[in-house]
Amino acid sequence: EPEVTQTPSHQVTQMGQEVILRCVPISNHLYFYWYRQILGQKVEFLVSFYNNEISEKSEIFDDQFSVERPDGSNFTLKIRSTKLEDSAMYFCASSYRTGIPEAFFGQGTRLTVV
Amino acid sequence: DQQVKQNSPSLSVQEGRISILNCDYTNSMFDYFLWYKKYPAEGPTFLISISSIKDKNEDGRFTVFLNKSAKHLSLHIVPSQPGDSAVYFCAASALETSGSRLTFGEGTQLTVNP
Repeated sequence: EPEVTQTPSHQVTQMGQEVILRCVPISNHLYFYWYRQILGQKVEFLVSFYNNEISEKSEIFDDQFSVERPDGSNFTLKIRSTKLEDSAMYFCASSYRTGIPEAFFGQGTRLTVV
Repeated sequence: DQQVKQNSPSLSVQEGRISILNCDYTNSMFDYFLWYKKYPAEGPTFLISISSIKDKNEDGRFTVFLNKSAKHLSLHIVPSQPGDSAVYFCAASALETSGSRLTFGEGTQLTVNP
C-alpha cells in the first residue's frame, strides 16, 4: 500500500541551527501538508502546499519556516533558526485532491532542539 | 484552540463490546469530519469520515454519527478488538473556507481488554 515516508525519524539539533525535514508523499498525490504535535498537545496544522506554492498556512508558520518541493518526489520543511519550543513531532501528509480532506500521514520526525 | 474537543482522554472496554468515542466542536463552519487512529511511533491513520450533509456513515465495524444541532459526533466500534487499542483523534475541516486544513481534537486513548 502506498505510504508517506519521512526522514529522519529523529533529529536532534542545537538551538539556532537550521533543520530540514524531508518527506516523500504518495506518488499520485497533489496536495501536501505539514502538521506538528508538541508533546502532550494537539496535532496542529502548519501549512498546505499545492502546485508549487503555499495554499494556506497557520499562525505558527512564521518567517522561520519554509517549504519546498525541490523535485518531483520530495517535500521539505525547513526551520531556519530553531528554538527550544520547536521541539515536536512533525508529520507530513498528502492527499490526491482538494475537497477530500482525508490526508495520509507519514510516521513523523521527532525534532528535539537542545 | 478549543474548536474541536474530545473530553475523554481515555476509554477502556472489553473485547467484543462496543466502544463509543465522542467529539464536540464549536465552529459552525466545519462541514467535514474525520476520525484518525494513531499507534505509538506512527503517524495518524485515516479511519472514517462524514460530510455534514449526512448523519451517519458506516464502514465495517466502524460507524460515525453526526449530530449537527448539538455539534457532536461519535465513533462507534463494534465489536471492539484488542488491535483497536490506540489513540483516536477527531478532526474537522471547513472545506468552503479553509480548504483541506484539519483541526484536531486532543485524542482519546482506547484500550480494549482481552
